[in-house]
Amino acid sequence: GAVVSQHPSRVICKSGTSVKIECRSLDFQATTMFWYRQFPKKSLMLMATSNEGSKATYEQGVEKDKFLINHASLTLSTLTVTSAHPEDSSFYICSARHRDTMPYEQYFGPGTRLTVT
Amino acid sequence: GENVEQHPSTLSVQEGDSAVIKCTYSDSASNYFPWYKQELGKGPQLIIDIRSNVGEKKDQRIAVTLNKTAKHFSLHITETQPEDSAVYFCAASWSGTYKYIFGTGTRLKVLA
Repeated sequence: GAVVSQHPSRVICKSGTSVKIECRSLDFQATTMFWYRQFPKKSLMLMATSNEGSKATYEQGVEKDKFLINHASLTLSTLTVTSAHPEDSSFYICSARHRDTMPYEQYFGPGTRLTVT
Repeated sequence: GENVEQHPSTLSVQEGDSAVIKCTYSDSASNYFPWYKQELGKGPQLIIDIRSNVGEKKDQRIAVTLNKTAKHFSLHITETQPEDSAVYFCAASWSGTYKYIFGTGTRLKVLA
């Protein structure tokens, strides 16, 4: 149980275009989803926290107009990278908090590798 | 805000030996400390966690210890195997936002 999926697993897009990444909790309802960014051989950096039905809370230094987050249901959150540039190339990982279990636990997705050419 | 430091950044051990990874945190409000294993190109997988009301927790070959006074916690892997080779991250969290602040990661290599 507590499986989180991401789609797509890999995406290549051209500079200036937008790309959407989906994060789904497959077998549980998630009150909160988190989005992280990870550069090669680096740690996970929290970008934003999204709660179902409300606006996302972004970490300091993260451009909310560039990284649009929507958490429309208890099982789906999306991250849209708008007007992508090569420096946005990274590994994006989401996680979800299970509504019915201990609040601290986060279940991570497999990640999405974004390459902007 | 919370800051988590992790050492060492790389660790090589012989198969069968033990490995220890250490983390320190700065915010005394942190009360939950998970450890994750990440393999190349994959998302992190929880391997063990500990809450602040517990000093030690063990799960087969893996154990975690917590010293709240010193604000540090450690991961211990005994009888290491080649499949333990991966990057390990510690994290700290606290009630309210339940955000995770991750350490910088340790690349563990178990030599056969």
